[in-house]
Amino acid sequence: GAVVSQHPSWVICKSGTSVKIECRSLDFQATTMFWYRQFPKQSLMLMATSNEGSKATYEQGVEKDKFLINHASLTLSTLTVTSAHPEDSSFYICSARDGRSPLHFGNGTRLTVT
Amino acid sequence: GQNIDQPTEMTATEGAIVQINCTYQTSGFNGLFWYQQHAGEAPTFLSYNVLDGLEEKGRFSSFLSRSKGYSYLLLKELQMKDSASYLCVPNGATNKLIFGTGTLLAVQP
Repeated sequence: GAVVSQHPSWVICKSGTSVKIECRSLDFQATTMFWYRQFPKQSLMLMATSNEGSKATYEQGVEKDKFLINHASLTLSTLTVTSAHPEDSSFYICSARDGRSPLHFGNGTRLTVT
Repeated sequence: GQNIDQPTEMTATEGAIVQINCTYQTSGFNGLFWYQQHAGEAPTFLSYNVLDGLEEKGRFSSFLSRSKGYSYLLLKELQMKDSASYLCVPNGATNKLIFGTGTLLAVQP
């Protein structure tokens, strides 16, 4: 149980375009979803927390207008990287939990902006 | 705030036992998680301790002492595939999980 599906696994896009990443909880209802980003050899960095039906809460230093998060249902959250630039190239990982249950991660999306 | 202290790197031999220690400080406490992360992959959940004591799950066990702010992850019968980073993550009052760099374990033949 507790499967989180993230799509796509990898994406290459041109500078200035937008990319949408989907995160779905397949067998449980995710009251809270978290989006992380990880650069090589660094720790996971929490970008934002989203609760179903409400606006996401962004961590300090994360631009909410650049990283649009939508948590439309208890099983789906999306992250859109708008006007992507090469410095946005990173490993983006979504995670979900139901209440205080363990946090379960998707497989991540490797974004390369050329 | 939150502070996590665990060794940066450890090396162990295939078939052996290794203990990864973690001390933590956090505002509020709602349990402690251990995650495993292989290079280039997302973390996977290993264990969750809420009460003091030892939780055993196959080759992996996790221990918690809330009064000491201390936990350890015990890996038995080490295999090469256990080479990974191990992340100790306390669940504080905010309910957000903040990850450190963890302990990079290298298992050698």
